[in-house]
Amino acid sequence: EPEVTQTPSHQVTQMGQEVILRCVPISNHLYFYWYRQILGQKVEFLVSFYNNEISEKSEIFDDQFSVERPDGSNFTLKIRSTKLEDSAMYFCASSDTRDSYQETQYFGPGTRLLVL
Amino acid sequence: AQKITQTQPGMFVQEKEAVTLDCTYDTSDQSYGLFWYKQPSSGEMIFLIYQGSYDEQNATEGRYSLNFQKARKSANLVISASQLGDSAMYFCAISLTTDSWGKLQFGAGTQVVVTP
Repeated sequence: EPEVTQTPSHQVTQMGQEVILRCVPISNHLYFYWYRQILGQKVEFLVSFYNNEISEKSEIFDDQFSVERPDGSNFTLKIRSTKLEDSAMYFCASSDTRDSYQETQYFGPGTRLLVL
Repeated sequence: AQKITQTQPGMFVQEKEAVTLDCTYDTSDQSYGLFWYKQPSSGEMIFLIYQGSYDEQNATEGRYSLNFQKARKSANLVISASQLGDSAMYFCAISLTTDSWGKLQFGAGTQVVVTP
């Protein structure tokens, strides 16, 4: 069964460093998302991406964040200068349908980011 | 404003028993989608079941069923014949037509522990 994959599974970085989180969405999916979950809290939407551009972003997704689809398979989230509060689990998700409210998003296993 | 409310922070259920997880939502949209995800201790987010606002029948997927009461704005998940492997965090989420590209908004989750 096709699945979303994410690398690395864990990342430890120093405050102020740049990190790139990688995702390979399900191959025929067209819509991509990043979410984050701070430990013990709810899952929060960061950004959605379609047709090589951002469709929507949350207020969390400030200038320190960027997303890119560098090739036909990868989807990346970059945090330019990490802060302590960026420590969280980051989930990539993808979906294939056109109707926005009906699409089922399939999540990857997540990347646990720890900023020291 | 809180879109999804899950009032049960935690529940214990005995193996083979059924358990109902509450989810209420707040929207004036006519078209929306409701989703349930399972998050085991390993951290991944697993899609369980979907209910569309216009679906007249309650959704079912194996041992999972959704008790959808549109007038009461509730979408409770029922897990029948609980198994030890059902121990996990369960999240209810909503996708609204007023949000572009299916941004999911999650509730705080309910921790389920299945006991032998």
